[in-house]
Amino acid sequence: DTEVTQTPKHLVMGMTNKKSLKCEQHMGHRAMYWYKQKAKKPPELMFVYSYEKLSINESVPSRFSPECPNSSLLNLHLHALQPEDSALYLCASSQDVRKTYGYTFGSGTRLTVV
Amino acid sequence: QQQVKQSPQSLIVQKGGISIINCAYENTAFDYFPWYQQFPGKGPALLIAIRPDVSEKKEGRFTISFNKSAKQFSLHIMDSQPGDSATYFCAASMDSGYSTLTFGKGTMLLVSP
Repeated sequence: DTEVTQTPKHLVMGMTNKKSLKCEQHMGHRAMYWYKQKAKKPPELMFVYSYEKLSINESVPSRFSPECPNSSLLNLHLHALQPEDSALYLCASSQDVRKTYGYTFGSGTRLTVV
Repeated sequence: QQQVKQSPQSLIVQKGGISIINCAYENTAFDYFPWYQQFPGKGPALLIAIRPDVSEKKEGRFTISFNKSAKQFSLHIMDSQPGDSATYFCAASMDSGYSTLTFGKGTMLLVSP
């Protein structure tokens, strides 16, 4: 299995809702990442997990809350989002946080905040 | 400060032509340079990558040329096809410490039939 699977593919949520994005990989990768991508822009790093521990938080607002329940799963919990948070949210993984080769992205969750 | 500069922002090439996208970097500690291809509604997919110990790498119709002294690298797509129409991102990283990808701003390639 060489894929990073993200669910759901599309999500529409109101500003008072609580929702979660899910990411799963079975490649044995020990580093997992959340990125946010706006239209016609490169992905922007949000969080990095290394061996299930949060290693990097790129000053992301607290309305985004990551969680890594085990080495294969990564969640992003969403609460009280703003319309400007609408974007493609990408999960990625790599063998180790010190090795970016073999970096694999999922297909993303298209999030719309209304 | 943008550490990886990518050009052009958009590119139109006729079918069968050569597409060329250029990137320049500033941080001499970068030692891994991948190119990603992204179709609308999909995540970026690794296309080809190079390390600075070689000046060129070819995989099928895709070639990376690397100039370490000029701190530049480029992607060449030979015999461009309409199916190559996508956004291409160059990136750079260091394989040490907490290594994350630094992306260029992207190039939207359109290959006309």
